[in-house]
Amino acid sequence: KAGVTQTPRYLIKTRGQQVTLSCSPISGHRSVSWYQQTPGQGLQFLFEYFSETQRNKGNFPGRFSGRQFSNSRSEMNVSTLELGDSALYLCASTAGVAASTDTQYFGPGTRLTVL
Amino acid sequence: DAKTTQPTSMDCAEGRAANLPCNHSTISGNEYVYWYRQIHSQGPQYIIHGLKNNETNEMASLIITEDRKSSTLILPHATLRDTAVYYCIVKGNTPLVFGKGTRLSVIA
Repeated sequence: KAGVTQTPRYLIKTRGQQVTLSCSPISGHRSVSWYQQTPGQGLQFLFEYFSETQRNKGNFPGRFSGRQFSNSRSEMNVSTLELGDSALYLCASTAGVAASTDTQYFGPGTRLTVL
Repeated sequence: DAKTTQPTSMDCAEGRAANLPCNHSTISGNEYVYWYRQIHSQGPQYIIHGLKNNETNEMASLIITEDRKSSTLILPHATLRDTAVYYCIVKGNTPLVFGKGTRLSVIA
């Protein structure tokens, strides 16, 4: 079974631009979560989508948004990019059946650099 | 904030068992202990999880104390490829909360 895939793997943008990252979950998984990893803050939860609805949201500004499609694929968007948005963005998928026991499987990440 | 405490770093000789401790004294009855690892700049890799019984899979063993306030991840025969940051996470019906983890260096 194929794992979680994320595209693109690397991205360079300039301040003020916006960016869209894509995540395809493991086949059959209905929940997708997004995380941001920076050297200073570590791995932080952004949001989770299940059946096209946002189920949980982390403490990030409204510039960060996401959505999920009917095939469970998900996208996240960051508008008005800032230098501090440079990070590794990780997507994880789970079956979405039972939150405490569903194992999250992570993709390889998208490395975003904001200049 | 992460609900776990782990040593910042550990070394292990190649071929020996690596024992990574984790304290989670405030764990609730319905929360699981999860372990992930992250090799430099890659996505975290799931290793194992458990509730109160010891667990073993092809990658590792998880030993949870009877009071569930601490656990130990055991890599039975560490190799150079096991060098990574290991995260111990307590999880209930909430998203994963990552702490700083333990940086394990396997030395030849």
